[in-house]
Amino acid sequence: QVTLKESGPVRVKPTETLTLTCTVSEISPTNTRMGVSWIRQSPGKALEWLAHIFSNDEKSYNTSLQSRLTISTDTSGSQVVLVMTNLDPVDTATYYCARVITGAPYVFGVWGQGTLVTVSS
Amino acid sequence: EIVLTQSPATLSLSPGDRATLSCRASQSVGTFLAWYQQKPGQAPRLLIYDASNRATGIPARFSGSGSGTDFTLTISSLEPEDFAVYYCQQRNNWPPLFAFGPGTKVESK
Repeated sequence: QVTLKESGPVRVKPTETLTLTCTVSEISPTNTRMGVSWIRQSPGKALEWLAHIFSNDEKSYNTSLQSRLTISTDTSGSQVVLVMTNLDPVDTATYYCARVITGAPYVFGVWGQGTLVTVSS
Repeated sequence: EIVLTQSPATLSLSPGDRATLSCRASQSVGTFLAWYQQKPGQAPRLLIYDASNRATGIPARFSGSGSGTDFTLTISSLEPEDFAVYYCQQRNNWPPLFAFGPGTKVESK
């Protein structure tokens, strides 16, 4: 059984940099790294995919935001970090990390609870 | 880059009704399409993947169909806990970009 938990600041100021961490915990680690994405949801809006790190460390970014995003992981894959630069109030959202499922590596089978980030001066 | 559209935006139904939700892709995605349910204040939950496979623990009243560009999520008989927002999602082969549809809200009539 795997759980994901997001952590990071609750509030950031405009123009600042946001760093979020997704901690992946497994009761019985399989030693098989799985792809993890960051996804956000502005209040009352739809889900927006931001970035993904594949099991082979390849990375993919939302084309509209890629100049501001960096995704990375530690060697064990137990922490996935998202860095977003030059924050704006429109970046206020709940940020989720989600892991893909075995056999369908485009499908998010496990989600964190989400962390609300407010961008305000 | 593949764009997903969902219709209708809102579906007003009663418990026991059949719900039919549509997702359309701007180009073929084969059967690489997933559906999620999201309730207020909660993270999304995977319902269906590969267009028609139910995820673990998902009741049989949820079914998915379609291929290519047109997909359907059907809830055969709505239970009170099914009133929620439903999203479809896919991933490009190359470049490997993920995308969600705008969602369909299933609300109580």
